[in-house]
Formats: sequence, C-alpha cells, structure tokens
Amino acid sequence: SAVISQKPSRDICQRGTSLTIQCQVDSQVTMMFWYRQQPGQSLTLIATANQGSEATYESGFVIDKFPISRPNLTFSTLTVSNMSPEDSSIYLCSVRTGSVYGYTFGSGTRLTVV
Amino acid sequence: KQEVTQIPAALSVPEGENLVLNCSFTDSAIYNLQWFRQDPGKGLTSLLLIQSSQREQTSGRLNASLDKSSGRSTLYIAASQPGDSATYLCAVRPEQGGSEKLVFGKGMKLTVNP
Repeated sequence: SAVISQKPSRDICQRGTSLTIQCQVDSQVTMMFWYRQQPGQSLTLIATANQGSEATYESGFVIDKFPISRPNLTFSTLTVSNMSPEDSSIYLCSVRTGSVYGYTFGSGTRLTVV
Repeated sequence: KQEVTQIPAALSVPEGENLVLNCSFTDSAIYNLQWFRQDPGKGLTSLLLIQSSQREQTSGRLNASLDKSSGRSTLYIAASQPGDSATYLCAVRPEQGGSEKLVFGKGMKLTVNP
C-alpha cells in the first residue's frame, strides 16, 4: 500500500494566521482526501483533491477557508486560513490504495490555535 | 444519511482477555467497511478491510466480521496486550454515486492493563 509523509506533525499557531499542511505520497494517485478530526469527534471529510482541477469541498467547508493545491499526482497541500481556536483539530490526508479500495492515511497534523 | 456508531466509547480490560468491538451503520448500501487504529494524537493505521461481498477478514490476532443486512461489524481481538491500547475506528464507504467519502464512527478507546 502507499506510504504518505505528512508534515508538520504538530503546530501551535496564533489566531488570524494561516498554516499549510503538506502530504507527499510514494506513488501516483488520482485522488487525495483531506479530513478533519475535532476533539472527541469522528473524522469528517473536508475535500477531495484531483490533480489538475479544483478541489471538491464537502458541505460546511469552503475554499477561502481551506484552500487546497494538487500540483502533481504525488503531492497536495491544505491551508487552514485565518485560524480561530475552533480550528484546533487533527488534520489528515488520505489516499485510496490498491485494487481493493482500502484507504491509507497520513500520520496527521495536530493543530492548536491560541 | 449514513451514520456509524461505536458503543461503548471506552473500554478498559486486563491483559489477556479476548475482546469484541462493535460497529453499527444505518444504511446497508456500502462498498466496504474498514477498521483503523489511532494512537493518541496520531494518524490512522488500517487494520482490516472487508468488502461488501465478504463476511470476515483475519490478520494475526484480529478478526473482523461484517453483517451488511443488519448493519453491523465486529472486530475481535484475541489475547489482548498492553500494546493494543489505542482508539479503534470503523468507517464505511457508502455506495451512493460512487462517493469516496468515508463515514467514520467516533471510535472506541481501548486500554489494556498489564
């Protein structure tokens, strides 16, 4: 299965600033997925990123707040913009791997906004 | 709307016990169900993937079963060890519209005491 390198692993940020999270995959994948896990909650899909096209956002998430780049088939970034304490969460990227449609996740970015 | 429930939210057991973790989902129209493990503040590690046509999957001390018609899955952990302590998440991939959005439960926090 694919191996995903995600960074940073954690960060503490001031409110009003932005943080960009990177995910690098060791193989080419068509779609990459970005999830958010708020404290005590289940994972929620933010958006799906395809190479060469605009990301598709889920209900409740907008491009101005969570801009995504997908410059090639192995890399994607998620930016959390104009952060507030409510954005404190673990952010994870994911890809579908293999012919059995399982999903692999990155190691996560633990974001704290103060 | 698909919903995934994991009960109980937490479980503490002595080392050596055989465990059954439960997952239920409201809509039986799924492609597959995947069990993950999450260590504190970290990403997700895939444990087992069951396709909708399968009844169970096994990996080492882990066995996952799927009863799609009743909307249930169980993860069986044999001879639990302190290293099994983590949060266990189940996720389903709904069939509708070819969506790749996984729907997660909130997880069950397992503590295995030596």
